Amino acid sequence: GAVVSQHPSWVICKSGTSVKIECRSLDFQATTMFWYRQFPKQSLMLMATSNEGSKATYEQGVEKDKFLINHASLTLSTLTVTSAHPEDSSFYICSGQEGYTQYFGPGTRLTVL
Amino acid sequence: QQQVKQSPQSLIVQKGGISIINCAYENTAFDYFPWYQQFPGKGPALLIAIRPDVSEKKEGRFTISFNKSAKQFSLHIMDSQPGDSATYFCAASYNNNDMRFGAGTRLTVKP
Repeated sequence: GAVVSQHPSWVICKSGTSVKIECRSLDFQATTMFWYRQFPKQSLMLMATSNEGSKATYEQGVEKDKFLINHASLTLSTLTVTSAHPEDSSFYICSGQEGYTQYFGPGTRLTVL
Repeated sequence: QQQVKQSPQSLIVQKGGISIINCAYENTAFDYFPWYQQFPGKGPALLIAIRPDVSEKKEGRFTISFNKSAKQFSLHIMDSQPGDSATYFCAASYNNNDMRFGAGTRLTVKP
């Protein structure tokens, strides 16, 4: 199957700082990439959909100025959590779409102190 | 609005038994139904998927049964093994967009 990588796999930062998470499709071109957030023992919550070369579409309730998404190429999307606060601590997962299927990255654990 | 309802929330099965997880959907426009397996601290991995034009798909020990009229689909894991212990998510999408996930089922296979 197609492979998606994420970097970093975990990050700890101080409150008020910004954190960038990279998502790469390694062996396919992902016109569309998705960003999810997952709390412990819960399902995946879609945050936004990004299409290469255009602005991301955010789900209702997700602050687009706080969660900046850039999809600069067919293999790279980035999520920047700006002015992070402890409530932003979570597991962030990206996916790239090939055909009907979404292939997920391994996730990034963000802890904001 | 929860578009995909998944049950049970948790499941305990003895080694060698059959694990069955069920999902029901509301939107008849859904045309793709995947199942994902997720281990703690990892991203979900595609397990098996089905389109609504078939009623069953089997890959190894994993089988999806699909009932279009009832708007239900299920995952059967035959000969369940301790290594199958994970959280399983069903999902549904339409027109290559908007994949909606079930709440997840935590499966424990006891040795």
